[in-house]
Amino acid sequence: GENVEQHPSTLSVQEGDSAVIKCTYSDSASNYFPWYKQELGKGPQLIIDIRSNVGEKKDQRIAVTLNKTAKHFSLHITETQPEDSAVYFCAASNPLSGNTGKLIFGQGTTLQVKP
Amino acid sequence: EPEVTQTPSHQVTQMGQEVILRCVPISNHLYFYWYRQILGQKVEFLVSFYNNEISEKSEIFDDQFSVERPDGSNFTLKIRSTKLEDSAMYFCASSPRWPRRDTQYFGPGTRLTVL
Repeated sequence: GENVEQHPSTLSVQEGDSAVIKCTYSDSASNYFPWYKQELGKGPQLIIDIRSNVGEKKDQRIAVTLNKTAKHFSLHITETQPEDSAVYFCAASNPLSGNTGKLIFGQGTTLQVKP
Repeated sequence: EPEVTQTPSHQVTQMGQEVILRCVPISNHLYFYWYRQILGQKVEFLVSFYNNEISEKSEIFDDQFSVERPDGSNFTLKIRSTKLEDSAMYFCASSPRWPRRDTQYFGPGTRLTVL
């Protein structure tokens, strides 16, 4: 069945360093890959997304790369700040799956940025 | 900025009781979803809803679950006879029409505790 694997489960970096979170997906028909940030007590907040027709997308300190051949995509956060500390989820969507937009989520990565 | 809202934030119920979780999606969105997250686990898809009917449901979404859009603004999830294993965070999400139809915005969640 559809599956998304996410690594690492926890990541601790020093403020100013970069953080990279990686995901792999099983359904080769997936073509939409969002990343969500979840702070304590809040719902997932969309921070960036990428579609399969591009290989990379950047928004200020956040970038996402996609390798469709290898079926993996990554989140890169540069110049990390303490407020980046949160749980990050990757997800994938297959538009052919009844066209419902169902998201398949990874397990989540707890990012801690130490001041 | 428009947000998805959910009520209540926390619901405690006895096993076997019925609960209704409420959501107000973003006003011009057309597609609605429920997901759940058991503590420490992945966010899991439950159901998608469009044009007043279910588009897709997961194996989790059995006969004990139902969804409804009773008016132009609310979207509800009903669990008829709660079980201990229904304890989880329940997230509502909504997405707009094409071409951003796959971009889902999540609410803050309802924590359901079944005793």
